[in-house]
Formats: sequence, structure tokens, C-alpha cells
Amino acid sequence: EVQLLESGGGLVQPGGSLRLSCAASGFAFSSYGMGWVRQAPGKGLEWVAYISGSGSGTYYVDSVKGRFAISRDNSENTLYLQMNSLRVEDTAVYYCAKDNSGRYPDYWGQGTLATVSS
Amino acid sequence: EIVLTQSPATLSLSPGERATLSCRASQSVSSYLAWYQQKPGQAPRLLIYDASDRATGIPARFSGSGSGTDFTLTISSLEPEDFAVYYCQQRSLWPRTFGQGTKVEIK
Repeated sequence: EVQLLESGGGLVQPGGSLRLSCAASGFAFSSYGMGWVRQAPGKGLEWVAYISGSGSGTYYVDSVKGRFAISRDNSENTLYLQMNSLRVEDTAVYYCAKDNSGRYPDYWGQGTLATVSS
Repeated sequence: EIVLTQSPATLSLSPGERATLSCRASQSVSSYLAWYQQKPGQAPRLLIYDASDRATGIPARFSGSGSGTDFTLTISSLEPEDFAVYYCQQRSLWPRTFGQGTKVEIK
């Protein structure tokens, strides 16, 4: 059974940092692209970052470029999102998502809430 | 960035009725479009990918069609568990983008 378990969310002041983790199990982790999708309270879904199975390719939405970094440890089956210089508008539930072979997210974690507030 | 526009914003229907949801892209995405269902407090669930392929375990009452810029998700006969928010998403170009969502509510 595929499982994705996020952790690392919390309350941080503007300008601060958080590191999100996503522990994966039940599939060949290194064979699939992974990403982070966020959802601000009461709003829609937004892709934040994506990383290929090998980790050689990374992509970011413009609003987080230079501030966020996605990475993965294929030996530990874990996905990460390092979030620096956080802004109030980064407040959201962050979901970890696994791509299927067609490169669409077919499994999602339960989400972790990151709140940026003074 | 490819903008996806979903219509209508809200669809009020009764169980057993047919639901037709639309997603229009600002430029062609070929068939690289998916549909997701999201219920309150839950993660999204993949329903349809590549415009018309049902994901594993998705009931046959869900179907997708379209290519290029115009896409449709059809729920042939609404079940009580189908009342939720539906999002389309393209993977043709990065950044992958979602539509703003269509809420299917009980009339």
C-alpha cells in the first residue's frame, strides 16, 4: 500500500524557515517523480515544486524560486521541501504527491499546515 | 503560464442527475489534462488523466473528454458521495497549473 506521510509544518514568523519532509513507502520511490502542492485556507490548489525520480530535474513555480528548494533522498525514501524567507502568503496546507507513470499525481499525503504569521 | 478556467463555479444538482463540468485552457495542452475530486479536509483524488483515462478504482460513471483547449468531466448519475469540489490540472508545461475548481453541491 502506498503511503505518504508529511511532517515539519508549524507556525513561523515572516522571514523564517521551515523544512517539510514526506516519508514514502509501498512503491519504488526512486522510479517516480514527486512534488509539493499547496492549498491556502479556503482556496484552490497550487503546484509549488517538482523533482524527477533521480533528483536530476527540479522545477519551481515563480513565486517560490530562490526561496524554496525541493530535494529527495532515494536511500531513505524521503522527499523534502526547504522553505526560506517565508511570507504570509506562503501560509497553506502543503501536500506531498507522487506521480504515476503518466506524470500525474496519483497518491497524496494528508498534508501539513505551514502558518506564516507575526 | 497556462491558465485553466473552470465553469460553472458551482453546480447545484440532485442525486441521480448528470453533471457536466468544463475546463478551458489559455493555450493548447494537447491531452495532458487531469481531473481531481476533493472533499473537505481531504487530499485531492485523481479521477481522470490524459483527458479521458480513468484512474485505478474510479467508477465508470466518471468520464472525461476533450483535447487542445476544451475539456469536459461528466458524472453520468450523481451518487451522494460525489458532492465535492472538482479541479482540472494540466501537465503540458511547467508550472503545472490547476483550474479554480467547480463545486458540485446538493440541490
